[in-house]
Amino acid sequence: SQTIHQWPATLVQPVGSPLSLECTVEGTSNPNLYWYRQAAGRGLQLLFYSVGIGQISSEVPQNLSASRPQDRQFILSSKKLLLSDSGFYLCAWSVRGPGYTFGSGTRLTVV
Amino acid sequence: AQKVTQAQTEISVVEKEDVTLDCVYETRDTTYYLFWYKQPPSGELVFLIRRNSFDEQNEISGRYSWNFQKSTSSFNFTITASQVVDSAVYFCALSESVTGGGNKLTFGTGTQLKVEL
Repeated sequence: SQTIHQWPATLVQPVGSPLSLECTVEGTSNPNLYWYRQAAGRGLQLLFYSVGIGQISSEVPQNLSASRPQDRQFILSSKKLLLSDSGFYLCAWSVRGPGYTFGSGTRLTVV
Repeated sequence: AQKVTQAQTEISVVEKEDVTLDCVYETRDTTYYLFWYKQPPSGELVFLIRRNSFDEQNEISGRYSWNFQKSTSSFNFTITASQVVDSAVYFCALSESVTGGGNKLTFGTGTQLKVEL
């Protein structure tokens, strides 16, 4: 069966520090991968998506970047975190057709 | 651009009451999919239902039911005989295809449902 792993579950980072969130999918090949962010009290916003290794599309300009070094690995990064980067980050995957399976999320607090 | 509107920010009901969550969407696509997700306090997103734009049949699943009306661009969700465990944020979402394949979900801002004893 397919599973999606996302870690860490919670993270507190100082302003200006780097960030690396990792997401891996098991049990499928060539998935479409997505990073979403949910700011406090708001809906989810698509940050990045990838339809293949090394292919990244960005939805909104921001302080973050994404990479897909392997077929089932998706990484969200930042060189220097801002206070506004705080939020709940969700990774998701899909294979065929619309609809996603979401990871359990990472709650990031930038202090 | 696609848009999903959930006008109800927060709803409070007493257990066993029925509650309807509203969702209105905008899209230029002729083929699209609509979704409802539940987000309990733990934060994970739980998939509830997916509906194809060609399928306007309403659906009932246990205490849940969905009313899709293409003519009014609405996809409302009803919980019958609500329970405390139904307390969560509920999101309506609309899919669109993106360049290179894959799909992008546009989410509404969510409705916080509180079910009290």
